[in-house]
Amino acid sequence: DAGVIQSPRHEVTEMGQEVTLRCKPISGHNSLFWYRQTMMRGLELLIYFNNNVPIDDSGMPEDRFSAKMPNASFSTLKIQPSEPRDSAVYFCASSLDSNSNQPQHFGDGTRLSIL
Amino acid sequence: GDSVTQMEGPVTLSEEAFLTINCTYTATGYPSLFWYVQYPGEGLQLLLKATKADDKGSNKGFEATYRKETTSFHLEKGSVQVSDSAVYFCARGAAGNKLTFGGGTRVLVKP
Repeated sequence: DAGVIQSPRHEVTEMGQEVTLRCKPISGHNSLFWYRQTMMRGLELLIYFNNNVPIDDSGMPEDRFSAKMPNASFSTLKIQPSEPRDSAVYFCASSLDSNSNQPQHFGDGTRLSIL
Repeated sequence: GDSVTQMEGPVTLSEEAFLTINCTYTATGYPSLFWYVQYPGEGLQLLLKATKADDKGSNKGFEATYRKETTSFHLEKGSVQVSDSAVYFCARGAAGNKLTFGGGTRVLVKP
């Protein structure tokens, strides 16, 4: 079975540019999560969706960040404009449903470097 | 709010040594508890879970028991291998299947 698929794996861009990260969840999973991982702050939940609807975006750091889930098989996380402090590894995860017993399945992440 | 506290690393061990990573959680309700493992360059993978008090999760020689009385979920393995070198995260479930993660513990196993 295919796991959570993220693209690109690596992104290097200059500050001020728009960055779009992509995620394909596991087929049949109804919940999708975006995380950011840094050495200083560890793993932070940015936003999560249930049935394509954003439920909690309280972790989104500022208005430069936005996320969409136009259908059950695709989500994007966009940063515009990007800043050096956005450099991090961004993970997408999905789970079967919103039951708290369900584990989350993570993609391999996008390593983002903003110069 | 919900929180998870786990021992800071790095933990350095020799092969075949016994590993324990302590984890405690805030006791709001009766959350599901998880251990995830992250190998270099990869995302987190579920290692094991427990959904109620006294449950024992186990996988790949790792074990953890849900201890309600001490609000703990310590991870143990009796004999580690070099391939167990990774970062280990303890997590508790929350409403809407959100997870609250601990800060992670880096484990390095030397041959």
